[in-house]
Formats: sequence, structure tokens, C-alpha cells
Amino acid sequence: DTGVSQNPRHKITKRGQNVTFRCDPISEHNRLYWYRQTLGQGPEFLTYFQNEAQLEKSRLLSDRFSAERPKGSFSTLEIQRTEQGDSAMYLCASSHVHEQYFGPGTRLTVT
Amino acid sequence: DQQVKQNSPSLSVQEGRISILNCDYTNSMFDYFLWYKKYPAEGPTFLISISSIKDKNEDGRFTVFLNKSAKHLSLHIVPSQPGDSAVYFCAASEETSYDKVIFGPGTSLSVIP
Repeated sequence: DTGVSQNPRHKITKRGQNVTFRCDPISEHNRLYWYRQTLGQGPEFLTYFQNEAQLEKSRLLSDRFSAERPKGSFSTLEIQRTEQGDSAMYLCASSHVHEQYFGPGTRLTVT
Repeated sequence: DQQVKQNSPSLSVQEGRISILNCDYTNSMFDYFLWYKKYPAEGPTFLISISSIKDKNEDGRFTVFLNKSAKHLSLHIVPSQPGDSAVYFCAASEETSYDKVIFGPGTSLSVIP
């Protein structure tokens, strides 16, 4: 039974560069979520998919952020023109019903 | 505008005693509540949940109590074990939008052997 996996685990990038993260959910889960977590805070909802449809986006998700879930399987989160304020842990989760199962996260550092 | 609040950033408890973690919420539309546990370098792990139609849910050493009128819930861990040392997040969602889960800032629990 494999859980949610995320790659890469760590990413260091220079301001202005684009980055892309990948999330592979638990295979039978049709819902997939992206969160951002900063130090001392809980995860903040960014967006979620039901199968391949992106159903809700937070106002935190600026136009520099885009998420996709082609074919309703894995998902990617891209951040364009990164800023230092984008430095955070990006968490992915998947679910079948209420309880969400989280991956280990991708820690992004923008220098 | 924090809709889910955990006012104690940290808590220390002796092994074998009860740990009580508290959570308050402001949105009266929340009707499903969850607790997650997080170890360093790992993602949060689902622990226990409760629907607003109940006031108590128990799973082994973990019990969640919900007081809707006070907009308050608590997680009790009895007996506390050193392996329970982690950050605990309270989370909530609305029935009409249960996929959008709002997390509190977390409480770091240390269980002292």
C-alpha cells in the first residue's frame, strides 16, 4: 500500500525562476489537494481536483501558480517567476471521502 | 482572519498522564472536524474526526469532544506516550464544501518519559 508521494522533496531556486512539483496520489483516490505550509502555521488550502477537474482555487493561488491533473492521476504544481515569499512547504494530499492523506511535502527555498 | 484557532502553541505532559489539546472555531457553518498529527519531515497524518451531529468520538487512546454551542473541540490522549510527541493540527470543513479543509496553526505536544 503506497501512500502519497511528492517529488522533489527539496528545491532551491533563484528568484525569478520557474519550478514544478509533482504529486502522485493514492491510486484509488479521486480527490487531490494542494496546500502550502509556512513555519508555525497549519497547511493552507490552495486548490483541489476531483479526477481531472480543478474544482476550487484559493485566493492564495495567484496567477503565477498553476496546477494540473491530466487524466485524473498525478498532479503538478507550477510556480512561475518565483518570489522569496513563495518559500514554504508545499503539501499534496488525496482522499476518497473526508479524510485526506498527505504526502511528505516539497520544501521550496527561493534565494 | 483565522477561522480555526489553537491558542496553545505548545504543551508538555508526563508520560502516562492525559494530554488535552484545545481548538476553537469561528465559522458556525463548520460541521466536520478532524485532528491530524505531524512528525518532523513528514506530512500530516489523519488521527480522528467528528461530525457535528455527535459530541464525542473515541478511537483507542484518542477521544475528540465537540461543544457546538461554544464552538470548541478538544482532543484527549490517554495515556500519553512518548511516541505521541508531535504537532497536532485541528481542522474543519463545511458540509457544502467539505473538500476545503481549514487548518489551525497547530499545537506541539511533548510527552516526557
